[in-house]
Amino acid sequence: RKEVEQDPGPFNVPEGATVAFNCTYSNSASQSFFWYRQDCRKEPKLLMSVYSSGNEDGRFTAQLNRASQYISLLIRDSKLSDSATYLCVVNEGGSYIPTFGRGTSLIVHP
Amino acid sequence: SAVISQKPSRDICQRGTSLTIQCQVDSQVTMMFWYRQQPGQSLTLIATANQGSEATYESGFVIDKFPISRPNLTFSTLTVSNMSPEDSSIYLCSVEPRGGYEQYFGPGTRLTVT
Repeated sequence: RKEVEQDPGPFNVPEGATVAFNCTYSNSASQSFFWYRQDCRKEPKLLMSVYSSGNEDGRFTAQLNRASQYISLLIRDSKLSDSATYLCVVNEGGSYIPTFGRGTSLIVHP
Repeated sequence: SAVISQKPSRDICQRGTSLTIQCQVDSQVTMMFWYRQQPGQSLTLIATANQGSEATYESGFVIDKFPISRPNLTFSTLTVSNMSPEDSSIYLCSVEPRGGYEQYFGPGTRLTVT
């Protein structure tokens, strides 16, 4: 299976900061892209899908760059509750089986 | 979305024994997945379990060690057989209600093998 790469971090930021994560994927045929959030000792939960046109949900913005084969997640005005691991997930075209990145750890401190 | 439950939530087992983990979904889904997540690591797919067919195992995982049942569209089991301490991990089931799109995970089963 093709690779999905993420900077493991941790990213240690103060409350109110803006932080961005990138995720690169190796398979140019990839079709579906997602960001999941995983809290400590909990299961991953879908944060947002990533569309070709980009999408925004409150303080979170996800973008896709097919030419450079990466997706990004931008978090504005970080909250303490944003502390978690953020997993990048990519589905190859024609496959229902996702590939998970290792995750990027975010720590938001007061 | 889908609501998924897993049983047991955790267990401590002796080496050489087997544990069967149950995964129940609140709606009918075709595709179910079993993952393993070791401390500090990302998810590793063990197998895909679709109703009406044999489970498809990923490289490094075999049916003798991780037999899977999928008797209907809302239920699946994963058995971890002849356990060793290396099997200590969190085991998660997930479903993909819309093939090729988002997944929903169960809360996981935390397994410790002594």
